[in-house]
Amino acid sequence: KAGVTQTPRYLIKTRGQQVTLSCSPISGHRSVSWYQQTPGQGLQFLFEYFSETQRNKGNFPGRFSGRQFSNSRSEMNVSTLELGDSALYLCASSLGLAGKYEQYFGPGTRLTVT
Amino acid sequence: AQTVTQSQPEMSVQEAETVTLSCTYDTSESDYYLFWYKQPPSRQMILVIRQEAYKQQNATENRFSVNFQKAAKSFSLKISDSQLGDAAMYFCAYRSSRGGSNYKLTFGKGTLLTVNP
Repeated sequence: KAGVTQTPRYLIKTRGQQVTLSCSPISGHRSVSWYQQTPGQGLQFLFEYFSETQRNKGNFPGRFSGRQFSNSRSEMNVSTLELGDSALYLCASSLGLAGKYEQYFGPGTRLTVT
Repeated sequence: AQTVTQSQPEMSVQEAETVTLSCTYDTSESDYYLFWYKQPPSRQMILVIRQEAYKQQNATENRFSVNFQKAAKSFSLKISDSQLGDAAMYFCAYRSSRGGSNYKLTFGKGTLLTVNP
């Protein structure tokens, strides 16, 4: 079974631009979560989607948004990019929302904002 | 809010020896899940081991085992017979078993493990 895939793997953007990252979960998984990883802040939860609905959201500004499609694929969008948005963005999928379900992570998208 | 603390930013171990990584957490809940994730230099986060809080027995996965002390809110990871491939950043994580905003994984800052040949 294929793992979680994320595209693109690397991105370089300029301040003020917007960016869209994509995540394809493991087949059969209906929950997709997004995390931001930086050296200073570590791993921080962005949001979680299940059945095309956002179920949970972390403490990030409204510039960060996401959505989930009927096939469970998810996208996250960051508008008006800032230098501080440079990070590794990780996507994780799981069978369901409950805490008992393990999350499987993708390789991440490395975003650099210049 | 739950917090996870890993007090050892870096650790090193000789190949074939045993090393223990520490993790403490803070929560008011009684039912939850704890995880150890490994992130090698390639960046793919991999689940190493999980522990359900309601289970008193410590989880084991081959060379990896945990020491779960619920009252002390401690969850350490022991790696036996360390191998070069164990070198990675290790993250301790907490996840509530309740619904709503608690399903997210809360991570510690991580411990960078170096394995010396």
